[in-house]
Amino acid sequence: EPEVTQTPSHQVTQMGQEVILRCVPISNHLYFYWYRQILGQKVEFLVSFYNNEISEKSEIFDDQFSVERPDGSNFTLKIRSTKLEDSAMYFCASSDRDFNTEAFFGQGTRLTVV
Amino acid sequence: AQTVTQSQPEMSVQEAETVTLSCTYDTSESNYYLFWYKQPPSRQMILVIRQEAYKQQNATENRFSVNFQKAAKSFSLKISDSQLGDTAMYFCAFMTTGNQFYFGTGTSLTVIP
Repeated sequence: EPEVTQTPSHQVTQMGQEVILRCVPISNHLYFYWYRQILGQKVEFLVSFYNNEISEKSEIFDDQFSVERPDGSNFTLKIRSTKLEDSAMYFCASSDRDFNTEAFFGQGTRLTVV
Repeated sequence: AQTVTQSQPEMSVQEAETVTLSCTYDTSESNYYLFWYKQPPSRQMILVIRQEAYKQQNATENRFSVNFQKAAKSFSLKISDSQLGDTAMYFCAFMTTGNQFYFGTGTSLTVIP
């Protein structure tokens, strides 16, 4: 069964450093998402991406964050100058069409900022 | 504002018994979809069941079924014949035309052998 793949599974970084979280969505999917889950809290929407541009973003997704689809398969989330409060589980998701469909989630990347 | 409320942070059920997880939501949208996602210890988010808001018939998926009360904005999940593998965090979510998921805070379910 096709699945969304995220790498790395766990990333530890120093505060102030830049990190790139990588995702390989399901191959025929066109809509891509990043969500984050701070430990013990709910899953929060960060950004959605379609047709090589951001279609929607939350207030969490400020100038510190950026997303990119550098080639035909990868979808990345870059966090510049990480802060302690960026420590969370980051989930990538993809779907094959707009609305009314489930999103397939990856297994997540646990980001720890120290 | 779109909100999802899960009022039961933790629940437990004996193996083979039935358990119901509660979820209420608030939206001004008339067209939306509702979901229950399961997050086992592996942390992967797995779709359990989906309900279209315009359908009155409650969705079922094997041992999982929902009680969707649109007027009350309630969307509860019933798990029948609970199995040890059902132990997980369960998130209620909905999606509107903006294609963005809104999640509740989750209910941690433990199935007791």
